[in-house]
Amino acid sequence: GENVEQHPSTLSVQEGDSAVIKCTYSDSASNYFPWYKQELGKRPQLIIDIRSNVGEKKDQRIAVTLNKTAKHFSLHITETQPEDSAVYFCAATFNQAGTALIFGKGTTLSVSS
Amino acid sequence: DAGITQSPRHKVTETGTPVTLRCHQTENHRYMYWYRQDPGHGLRLIHYSYGVKDTDKGEVSDGYSVSRSKTEDFLLTLESATSSQTSVYFCAAGQGADEQYFGPGTRLTVT
Repeated sequence: GENVEQHPSTLSVQEGDSAVIKCTYSDSASNYFPWYKQELGKRPQLIIDIRSNVGEKKDQRIAVTLNKTAKHFSLHITETQPEDSAVYFCAATFNQAGTALIFGKGTTLSVSS
Repeated sequence: DAGITQSPRHKVTETGTPVTLRCHQTENHRYMYWYRQDPGHGLRLIHYSYGVKDTDKGEVSDGYSVSRSKTEDFLLTLESATSSQTSVYFCAAGQGADEQYFGPGTRLTVT
């Protein structure tokens, strides 16, 4: 079945460093790739997304890149801050209508000051 | 919080009992989703709805049923709860896969 693999499962960086989280997906028909951030005890919240007709998207310190040929997409966070510490989930559409998501298992990012 | 609420927020129940979780949204979103979140598994889709009385299965639908009789409400039912269904359940709503807004979650413990 459809699958999204996410790496690494944990990531520790120093404040100010960059962090990169990578995902691969199995369904070549996937056309929408969001990233969610979940702080401890809170609900997941969308932080950035990208569609299959775009290779890169930026929003301040956050960027997402997509390689459709390789079925890879990545989240890049620059100048990390302690408040970036959270669990990050990637996802990809998996049903024919593109209206449902399959999620990766998450990456716990810890930013130490 | 995009007007999505879940009830109850916490529930403890015994194995074999039926349980219904409710998701309510006020933004007239067409699509609604139920996920479960477990350590090491991330978020897994249980069922979703693409309109009133229109539902479909997700990745882990066995043991769960859903109903949507009104746009604003999406119910998740565990017909006979098992310990493996102990989890945090999140509801989400949106106009599709785009910008799914999540509810606050329901922590369910089956003893």
